Amino acid sequence: QITLKESGPTQVKPTQTLTLTCDFSGFSLSTSGVGVGWIRQPPGKALEWLGIFYRDVDKRYSPSLRNRLTFTRGTSQNQVVLSMTNMDPVDTGTYYCAHRYCSGGSCYLGAFDVWGQGTMVTVSS
Amino acid sequence: QSALTQPASVSGSPGQSITISCTGTSSDVFGYDYVSWYQQYPGKAPNLMIYDVTNRPSGVSDRFSGSKSGNTASLTISGLQAGDEADYYCSSYTNSNTQLFGTGTRVTVL
Repeated sequence: QITLKESGPTQVKPTQTLTLTCDFSGFSLSTSGVGVGWIRQPPGKALEWLGIFYRDVDKRYSPSLRNRLTFTRGTSQNQVVLSMTNMDPVDTGTYYCAHRYCSGGSCYLGAFDVWGQGTMVTVSS
Repeated sequence: QSALTQPASVSGSPGQSITISCTGTSSDVFGYDYVSWYQQYPGKAPNLMIYDVTNRPSGVSDRFSGSKSGNTASLTISGLQAGDEADYYCSSYTNSNTQLFGTGTRVTVL
């Protein structure tokens, strides 16, 4: 069974760096094609794709956030960490990590089949 | 990159069919058969309903179907039920090797 769970601060101040951890189980990032995506959602607004982590040398970032985002492995092999610099109140929202959908030996672009519960982050002084 | 365009709301009566459109560009929807659809209930994480334009993951009802024509993808819900009332988002792979979500559609069952 695949599970993911996000953790981190519920509030950060403007200009600070946000660090979120995604703890996952039931799959390995060593498997070809498997990835962990990050998606966020401001209150009452649409989903926004932030990027996806496949392995240390294979990551994708949203073009609009590329300069502020970094995905890394955590201290455990079953963790992916999101860092976002220079936080602003417009970055307030729920942040999700999600598993890239794979089935029958194939993995599918743009499809996330299992999501974490999400973690709400408020940016305010 | 701008979000894919969806109607803000679509409604229908129980038993009816409704269709949600998702309009992109030649850089995303038109160029790739990697469109996904998600259902999201208030306060919950999204659920994957369709991937690769037309395919349903195991466990998703066959009342949900996807299609694409040109730069517009569509999600059709047939035999509308009260439990289908939710927000729906499309998503597409892009030529920048990234992903875009749509603006979201609120489905209301009358």
